[in-house]
Amino acid sequence: QKEVEQDPGPLSVPEGAIVSLNCTYSNSAFQYFMWYRQYSRKGPELLMYTYSSGNKEDGRFTAQVDKSSKYISLFIRDSQPSDSATYLCAMSADYKLSFGAGTTVTVRA
Amino acid sequence: ETGVTQTPRHLVMGMTNKKSLKCEQHLGHNAMYWYKQSAKKPLELMFVYNFKEQTENNSVPSRFSPECPNSSHLFLHLHTLQPEDSALYLCASSQAGGTEAFFGQGTRLTVV
Repeated sequence: QKEVEQDPGPLSVPEGAIVSLNCTYSNSAFQYFMWYRQYSRKGPELLMYTYSSGNKEDGRFTAQVDKSSKYISLFIRDSQPSDSATYLCAMSADYKLSFGAGTTVTVRA
Repeated sequence: ETGVTQTPRHLVMGMTNKKSLKCEQHLGHNAMYWYKQSAKKPLELMFVYNFKEQTENNSVPSRFSPECPNSSHLFLHLHTLQPEDSALYLCASSQAGGTEAFFGQGTRLTVV
């Protein structure tokens, strides 16, 4: 079993739709949870950072962590074509990052 | 710019060549990392340096040789690579013991 599972998609949505992304994990020691966004031909950039369970909102982005279910989510409201990218979840225990495979999202104008 | 610069951006090399990838960070971080990103696979951690000392080698073949002369620079020396080593190689930096990693643009490596 992979330590972090993420559906690679691809996911295609119309502009203005809500994008829902998620990851599951097996290591209960993970405490820090992150979402990275990676545009084509670019390196990943940190998008959201959450410690332990709960919700965090930043503009159109909401990150949720449910440690009891070992499940994290990222929601993008009012999606824009500029949101088209690959989204990678990452989580950390003992300062070591583990990444999901990434979900490729296309927002259609 | 992310504060982490990688050169070259693209590299094509034969299996008998020797080449080096370079990474430089301007963020004042003291930990640097090499990752390998292959299509449809999670990012694979290769090497970790904390305060210029290698603290992790994730079972990487010896044809990949890292070098960290100071906290701002990181190199990955490549020799006798295989076609399956073709991938995007990403450098990242953070504060030692920190969890927020900042990535460079990556070097797209093709081994022919």
